[in-house]
Amino acid sequence: DSGVTQTPKHLITATGQRVTLRCSPRSGDLSVYWYQQSLDQGLQFLIQYYNGEERAKGNILERFSAQQFPDLHSELNLSSLELGDSALYFCASSPQDNEQFFGPGTRLTVL
Amino acid sequence: GEDVEQSLFLSVREGDSSVINCTYTDSSSTYLYWYKQEPGAGLQLLTYIFSNMDMKQDQRLTVLLNKKDKHLSLRIADTQTGDSAIYFCAEIPRRGGATNKLIFGTGTLLAVQP
Repeated sequence: DSGVTQTPKHLITATGQRVTLRCSPRSGDLSVYWYQQSLDQGLQFLIQYYNGEERAKGNILERFSAQQFPDLHSELNLSSLELGDSALYFCASSPQDNEQFFGPGTRLTVL
Repeated sequence: GEDVEQSLFLSVREGDSSVINCTYTDSSSTYLYWYKQEPGAGLQLLTYIFSNMDMKQDQRLTVLLNKKDKHLSLRIADTQTGDSAIYFCAEIPRRGGATNKLIFGTGTLLAVQP
């Protein structure tokens, strides 16, 4: 158990819908990273927050957004969902930037 | 580009050693990582190596780093059936700027035969 929690574990929704994925980092970790794992793209970095501020963006679509709250939990919002958004979404938290600890992931299925 | 390459599949017998190889992209990467993903599970950080090291040993795991060839390997001694999983190498490229985003390889599926 990494200490990073993600909810929900599974999410099934329809095209065009909007969902919110939640991540609670390990106690004291200020950095949260979001990654997407899909069969065709592999594991890709989406976005990073540090202590409430966006630090970096990767291959994140404009339909996706994220935020980190004062209690350091983070949410990833996915809107206008398409079939191709079906994937595993991981968050990771980091105490210092040389180690990232991953949550169990949220499996999103878009029908 | 940002392609970290790994062979897709490795099959070994229980008790043998496994060696998983990785070629990374950024010669100035400071840290290089090995993660393990079991079916239906998240990513478990196994070990990492700082770029000024050639080797790191941690119980059954040995990491070798060849900076000249940008080659990283993970050796698992006395491989067990519980080691069956997908193994990812990852780097934090310095040209990534202020972020420490991980760039992952394609993953190597390790199958351990009893």
